[in-house]
Amino acid sequence: DAGVIQSPRHEVTEMGQEVTLRCKPISGHDYLFWYRQTMMRGLELLIYFNNNVPIDDSGMPEDRFSAKMPNASFSTLKIQPSEPRDSAVYFCASSEGGLEQFFGPGTRLTVL
Amino acid sequence: ILNVEQSPQSLHVQEGDSTNFTCSFPSSNFYALHWYRWETAKSPEALFVMTLNGDEKKKGRISATLNTKEGYSYLYIKGSQPEDSATYLCAFGGATNKLIFGTGTLLAVQP
Repeated sequence: DAGVIQSPRHEVTEMGQEVTLRCKPISGHDYLFWYRQTMMRGLELLIYFNNNVPIDDSGMPEDRFSAKMPNASFSTLKIQPSEPRDSAVYFCASSEGGLEQFFGPGTRLTVL
Repeated sequence: ILNVEQSPQSLHVQEGDSTNFTCSFPSSNFYALHWYRWETAKSPEALFVMTLNGDEKKKGRISATLNTKEGYSYLYIKGSQPEDSATYLCAFGGATNKLIFGTGTLLAVQP
């Protein structure tokens, strides 16, 4: 298996632009997690899905952030409009049964 | 607010030294304790998932113990090698599948 796939790996955008991050979980995994990593706050969970249904989005910072999982093999995290404070590394992880999580390589987002 | 604390924050050891780190977590509503190894510019890689009080897990030179009653876990590395240099993260899993991560222990092993 290729593991969790994220794209793009790097994104540089200007404040106010829409940003879409993509994730393909490991085939057969029924849980998908979106995390954000910053120097100040470390690794924090934004939202997670079970069988494509959002279960807990309490970590989503504000309404500018939204996430979808239209099917078992694809999820997006969208920021609209983006702000400089959104600059971070965004990780997607997937899990079978919700226990051990496998992380993707991350997307490094820079908002100028 | 659930708090997961790791100590020390960073550690510099010589090749061949053995070392250990601590993870403290809430002792209530415990479901699982995870350890991850995170190398610079890579993604976190799962080392262990432990669910039972008294659990001990081992992978090569790395081992971990778990005490859920008092809310701590230790990670041990025997005979550290330069390739062990990484950040070691622990994460507390409660009744939900949500993980709360500690801030990690940064290990640097000098040859």
